Amino acid sequence: EMQLVESGGGLVQPGGSLRLSCAVSGFVFSDFYMDWVRQAPGTGLEWVARSGNKVSSYMTAYAASVQGRFTISRDDSKNSLYLEMNSLKTEDTAVYYCGRWNQAFDIWGQGTMVTVSS
Amino acid sequence: EIVLTQSPGTLSLSPGERATLSCRASQSIRNNYLAWYQQKPGQAPRALIYAASSRVTGIPDRFSGSGSGTDFTLTISRLEPEDFAVYYCQQSGTIAYTFGQGTKLEI
Repeated sequence: EMQLVESGGGLVQPGGSLRLSCAVSGFVFSDFYMDWVRQAPGTGLEWVARSGNKVSSYMTAYAASVQGRFTISRDDSKNSLYLEMNSLKTEDTAVYYCGRWNQAFDIWGQGTMVTVSS
Repeated sequence: EIVLTQSPGTLSLSPGERATLSCRASQSIRNNYLAWYQQKPGQAPRALIYAASSRVTGIPDRFSGSGSGTDFTLTISRLEPEDFAVYYCQQSGTIAYTFGQGTKLEI
């Protein structure tokens, strides 16, 4: 069964940092682009960041709202995707999903909640 | 950044009826890279359509997508009770890969 499992969410103060992880199983992780998408409470979906595969030289891309603060990375040997989040703001409060890109986000994790509050 | 505007915001229909959801882009989407997702409360989204009109494996054929350029449509031919949810469009033609604000399909 193809599965994505996020972890690492929690409560953090404004200006703080957090590292999210996404553990992948059931497919060849290294073949695929992987992304982070977030959803603030009661609102819609927002694309956050993309990690390309080895063929793309592990390209990365970010939403303007997180550029310079968030860093996406992956470890193909561990079948894992990461999101390092620094200088967190209250508006970063959301459920963070990792997703497999295959012409659409065809596989999603269950999400991990990040709350930025003092 | 491409802005996607979905309409209507809420659509009230009954099981068995036909649903037509619209997604309009602020500029033409390269190669019609437009996807549709369904999201139910407390769940992650589920992909329905990619490249404007191709159904994701396992999605029932009552779901269909159409359109090109800046105007796209998701049609559900005969609503089933499990289809009542929020639907999002998303473009992947240009970074950032933006989503529409969603259409809530309610009974």
